[in-house]
Amino acid sequence: DAGVTQSPTHLIKTRGQHVTLRCSPISGHKSVSWYQQVLGQGPQFIFQYYEKEERGRGNFPDRFSARQFPNYSSELNVNALLLGDSALYLCASRAGTALYEQYFGPGTRLTVT
Amino acid sequence: AQSVTQLGSHVSVSEGALVLLRCNYSSSVPPYLFWYVQYPNQGLQLLLKYTTGATLVKGINGFEAEFKKSETSFHLTKPSAHMSDAAEYFCAVIPNNNDMRFGAGTRLTVKP
Repeated sequence: DAGVTQSPTHLIKTRGQHVTLRCSPISGHKSVSWYQQVLGQGPQFIFQYYEKEERGRGNFPDRFSARQFPNYSSELNVNALLLGDSALYLCASRAGTALYEQYFGPGTRLTVT
Repeated sequence: AQSVTQLGSHVSVSEGALVLLRCNYSSSVPPYLFWYVQYPNQGLQLLLKYTTGATLVKGINGFEAEFKKSETSFHLTKPSAHMSDAAEYFCAVIPNNNDMRFGAGTRLTVKP
């Protein structure tokens, strides 16, 4: 079975632009979470979606938004990009609630210039 | 807010030596604790987790961790390091049912 997939792998954007990152969970997984990992730090929680509803939000500005589609794939959108948004964006899926094992994708490396 | 602290951003051991990576959590209730490993240019892979039950948890690749409530610790150990163990290790906790909070990470280097 395929694991969590993310696209694109790498992305370079300019300050002020908008970006959309995509994630496909493991088949059968209904929960998707997004994390931002700045170089040299641990991942920071951005959003969790379960059954297409937002179930959790981390301490990120409103420039960050996400949604989950009927097939449980997910998009993370970031508007008005700042240099500080440069990071590895990780998507993780799990079968159900938070106590289920979480599987991570390889991430999307976003560079903002 | 509940969080985790990883003591030591870099740990270096010789091949065959004991690996000890430290993690302390802050919590007023028993937490759910995890250790993940991240190899260069890859996502995170779960090594082991503690939710309830036995406090000594065995994971993949010969790693284990012990939940010590009195010390609020969840240190990761491996009796004998292999070169392939060189990676970044993250301790994490679930403070509620929605998110997971990670420590800053410990980079493990294994010397031949």
